[in-house]
Amino acid sequence: DTGVSQDPRHKITKRGQNVTFRCDPISEHNRLYWYRQTLGQGPEFLTYFQNEAQLEKSRLLSDRFSAERPKGSFSTLEIQRTEQGDSAMYLCASSKGQYNEQFFGPGTRLTVL
Amino acid sequence: QQQVKQSPQSLIVQKGGISIINCAYENTAFDYFPWYQQFPGKGPALLIAIRPDVSEKKEGRFTISFNKSAKQFSLHIMDSQPGDSATYFCAARVTSGTYKYIFGTGTRLKVLA
Repeated sequence: DTGVSQDPRHKITKRGQNVTFRCDPISEHNRLYWYRQTLGQGPEFLTYFQNEAQLEKSRLLSDRFSAERPKGSFSTLEIQRTEQGDSAMYLCASSKGQYNEQFFGPGTRLTVL
Repeated sequence: QQQVKQSPQSLIVQKGGISIINCAYENTAFDYFPWYQQFPGKGPALLIAIRPDVSEKKEGRFTISFNKSAKQFSLHIMDSQPGDSATYFCAARVTSGTYKYIFGTGTRLKVLA
């Protein structure tokens, strides 16, 4: 059990650029979540995958955001035409089954200049 | 409304003292209440969790007290240590569908040596 990993850990980009983040969940965890955390706040739910199916998206996830989880393994979160308001920590979490706790990755810190 | 209110925002405790963090919720569609500990630049790590059919759970120096009728729960850290200095988040898990977490806004704890 190697834990949830995320890549990159830090990303600095200019406004208007596209960025993509990757999350590798704990193996055999079929549920994968993306959260966003801004400074001084708790994580906020963005989207959820059960295996490869994206089953819920938050209102926070504008049409500039897209997430995938091909083959139900790793997941990617892409932000197109980044804005300064997108600057945040993007956290990925996974769990095995609906009753088990979520394990979080270290996050990707995005800074949009 | 799915909200979890957390207080205080920050807390300073002497080494050996008791740290108490409180959370309250309004929506009854929650079935699991975890507490997470987060150090700067890291993802949240599960500390301790409780289900609503239990009024108290203790693990080492950490205790959760749960009051179902008042819709409140709290984290007590006994014999607080400087290494406990971190941000603590309470959360509530939505009962159905995604089983996503709704997080409180966090409490920044500082334990003085």
